[in-house]
Amino acid sequence: NAGVTQTPKFQVLKTGQSMTLQCAQDMNHNSMYWYRQDPGMGLRLIYYSASEGTTDKGEVPNGYNVSRLNKREFSLRLESAAPSQTSVYFCASMPRGLNTDTQYFGPGTRLTVL
Amino acid sequence: ILNVEQSPQSLHVQEGDSTNFTCSFPSSNFYALHWYRWETAKSPEALFVMTLNGDEKKKGRISATLNTKEGYSYLYIKGSQPEDSATYLCALGGSARQLTFGSGTQLTVLP
Repeated sequence: NAGVTQTPKFQVLKTGQSMTLQCAQDMNHNSMYWYRQDPGMGLRLIYYSASEGTTDKGEVPNGYNVSRLNKREFSLRLESAAPSQTSVYFCASMPRGLNTDTQYFGPGTRLTVL
Repeated sequence: ILNVEQSPQSLHVQEGDSTNFTCSFPSSNFYALHWYRWETAKSPEALFVMTLNGDEKKKGRISATLNTKEGYSYLYIKGSQPEDSATYLCALGGSARQLTFGSGTQLTVLP
């Protein structure tokens, strides 16, 4: 099992460009999450999908959209990138989305917006 | 948004020292408390999940305790080793299907 995979690992964008970060998990997990990690701020939830077909906003959703393409895949889209979106992005999944479940994290995508 | 606080923000200890750090959370909305270990350039990995007041979990030299009435959890590392250097995150599982993470304690163990 590959676990949670993310592509790309690194990306540099110019302000105003768009891009989609891809995430896939092969553990048959129901719930998937997108976080951003900034220095001194820990992990902040952008969007999550409790189950296939549903998505919900997290703490910092502005400037992002998501798609739960199927049970395996959950993508994060930046429609018009801004320098404030420079961050490391982590995707995670949980088996059932219960608060006692462990989250399994992908390797991260380091995004720089110039 | 639940407020999860961790202290200290960073910590340097000598190899062989024991250490501990704190995670504080609002006790009124508690379902589960998670600890994760996050090494530089890697992804966070789960250490413990605790749900009951008075819970104590142990994995090797690392242990954690939970007090839900007063809203805190301690993580202890006995006889710290350089490979223990990492950021330790706690996260609160509340009523929604998500975890709220603290900002972490960055531990550096000096040889």
